[in-house]
Amino acid sequence: GAGVSQSPSNKVTEKGKDVELRCDPISGHTALYWYRQRLGQGLEFLIYFQGNSAPDKSGLPSDRFSAERTGESVSTLTIQRTQQEDSAVYLCASSLSHAGNSYNEQFFGPGTRLTVL
Amino acid sequence: SQQGEEDPQALSIQEGENATMNCSYKTSINNLQWYRQNSGRGLVHLILIRSNEREKHSGRLRVTLDTSKKSSSLLITASRAADTASYFCAAPMNRDDKIIFGKGTRLHILP
Repeated sequence: GAGVSQSPSNKVTEKGKDVELRCDPISGHTALYWYRQRLGQGLEFLIYFQGNSAPDKSGLPSDRFSAERTGESVSTLTIQRTQQEDSAVYLCASSLSHAGNSYNEQFFGPGTRLTVL
Repeated sequence: SQQGEEDPQALSIQEGENATMNCSYKTSINNLQWYRQNSGRGLVHLILIRSNEREKHSGRLRVTLDTSKKSSSLLITASRAADTASYFCAAPMNRDDKIIFGKGTRLHILP
């Protein structure tokens, strides 16, 4: 596929369960972002991967949130012990980006809508 | 942390009118980007303006950048119903590669 894909598209879980969200970036894109968007709100930065550098985790809201990325491929965002406040759309984006160069547009996936009951 | 802040938060105009949205940012940037979001899903890149540019056009879109005021505006001319969406500005944080988005302007085009 040519674009960023995310799975699942929708996830309903019970409070206290762990969830894992997946993002497949565009091949060759070194930068990958995760965002959270609550209903009617803006994008909340969560975490940023750039190549093999240590990820920027400054946006993760709590230690229940973690993300991994292997090389320049798939990334997974894990939320442990989910809470109702975690309900949101989780968006992933990738860009063809080199360190020190931000002149690259981000390509977004369709998002995963997470509902915590 | 917030880099871009859009204004207004919501805007309703009649079809055919022009829509103007503004964005203010905090730190020095090398470029600023505008994105559109339909139906709460993925965003689509609209236009990028570099810090040495003052104005840029793309179809019915016109973007301005005033680095002295740390502000940008997005003008959509001759609006159409299909322009109904949320619009976000985004800029790199402190010249770092990390792009930070504002909270967006919800634009509604009335028939």
